Amino acid sequence: DGGITQSPKYLFRKEGQNVTLSCEQNLNHDAMYWYRQDPGQGLRLIYYSQIVNDFQKGDIAEGYSVSREKKESFPLTVTSAQKNPTAFYLCASTREFDWDEKLFFGSGTQLSVL
Amino acid sequence: AQKVTQAQTEISVVEKEDVTLDCVYETRDTTYYLFWYKQPPSGELVFLIRRNSFDEQNEISGRYSWNFQKSTSSFNFTITASQVVDSAVYFCALSEPQGYQKVTFGTGTKLQVIP
Repeated sequence: DGGITQSPKYLFRKEGQNVTLSCEQNLNHDAMYWYRQDPGQGLRLIYYSQIVNDFQKGDIAEGYSVSREKKESFPLTVTSAQKNPTAFYLCASTREFDWDEKLFFGSGTQLSVL
Repeated sequence: AQKVTQAQTEISVVEKEDVTLDCVYETRDTTYYLFWYKQPPSGELVFLIRRNSFDEQNEISGRYSWNFQKSTSSFNFTITASQVVDSAVYFCALSEPQGYQKVTFGTGTKLQVIP
């Protein structure tokens, strides 16, 4: 079955440490996205990628970085510059990069600070 | 600026009751899409419905129905004869043609269906 796989499910970060969240899709979708979910808040866009080797900042990109070297993969790095990284992170994709496309989501990664 | 309001933070109903989840949106565009997503405890958001701004026809899918009213900027979601499996967080979202996929999510409504 096609879908989006995120790993790990739970991740702990020490002070000053960078951590990377994995996102892999086998849907053959062009566009991929990273969202952050905090309790009681809606999803907020961190980064998005329209196509391989291209990515753009979303609404809350500070302290995060991404790469898109392969169509299937869109890893997110939470750097030490992100002072409040504790949140639930969701990776998503759409068939095309278009505003009317429905999002397909992974099952998320819960990041906590030690 | 676009905005989506889901005023109901949490709702609890007894199994088999009907429940309506409210969604009110704000936009300056005449062309837009509205979505509902379901987030069960597993964490993965699942797409439920998409409606464009030119189609005000209500939709029914099994026990689910959606009432889209442009006059009140609302896109409400009703579950008939609720079941325990309906327990989840439900998000309403708005998408506008801004040159990239700009989706604004509401804060979600947590629905608990009690057996």
